[in-house]
Amino acid sequence: AQKITQTQPGMFVQEKEAVTLDCTYDTSDPSYGLFWYKQPSSGEMIFLIYQGSYDQQNATEGRYSLNFQKARKSANLVISASQLGDSAMYFCAMRESANGANSKLTFGKGITLSVRP
Amino acid sequence: NAGVMQNPRHLVRRRGQEARLRCSPMKGHSHVYWYRQLPEEGLKFMVYLQKENIIDESGMPKERFSAEFPKEGPSILRIQQVVRGDSAAYFCASSPQGQGTYGYTFGSGTRLTVV
Repeated sequence: AQKITQTQPGMFVQEKEAVTLDCTYDTSDPSYGLFWYKQPSSGEMIFLIYQGSYDQQNATEGRYSLNFQKARKSANLVISASQLGDSAMYFCAMRESANGANSKLTFGKGITLSVRP
Repeated sequence: NAGVMQNPRHLVRRRGQEARLRCSPMKGHSHVYWYRQLPEEGLKFMVYLQKENIIDESGMPKERFSAEFPKEGPSILRIQQVVRGDSAAYFCASSPQGQGTYGYTFGSGTRLTVV
């Protein structure tokens, strides 16, 4: 089974509206971390937001929030008040942590978001 | 306060040549990770190194690929006898000891094109 699943086709959103990008994950490790990264057309990887498996509250970072539903193993990214500069690829990633070992990130295939003016 | 520095940004190699990709981690970071991104794909883990040690190389192809992170100097990802299928973007990330909440800082990547 895939560890990180991002199945949405290309997403479109009107400027200033909110959009949700879906991510589901699969792990048997009780301790893990979930990340979202943005990759604009220039290619760099930009960290957006992090959610730890033991965090009681959903993470928020400015216009970004993470809708963390642990029982459903989903970690959807919500972008509020979309801007034209939000047009990019968005990747969900997971770090499984077993006493600090094996701490690589596993990425999903990504979702393309296009913001319409 | 420079971030993770990767060079070159773009690299063109003919089939059969060697490619050397460099990564200087953020100041204070002692852990380096290499990832490969094929077109229209997510990043795939290749190798995780600490200074002078390979911690996890489970994502490295068995042949032609090697990585090092010496005591002094940048981490190097070396691809010998490149083939067209090696064309990809190669990203390096670094993290401090213990990683913390955010953990990883990525470089801008090296785009390798094999002609």
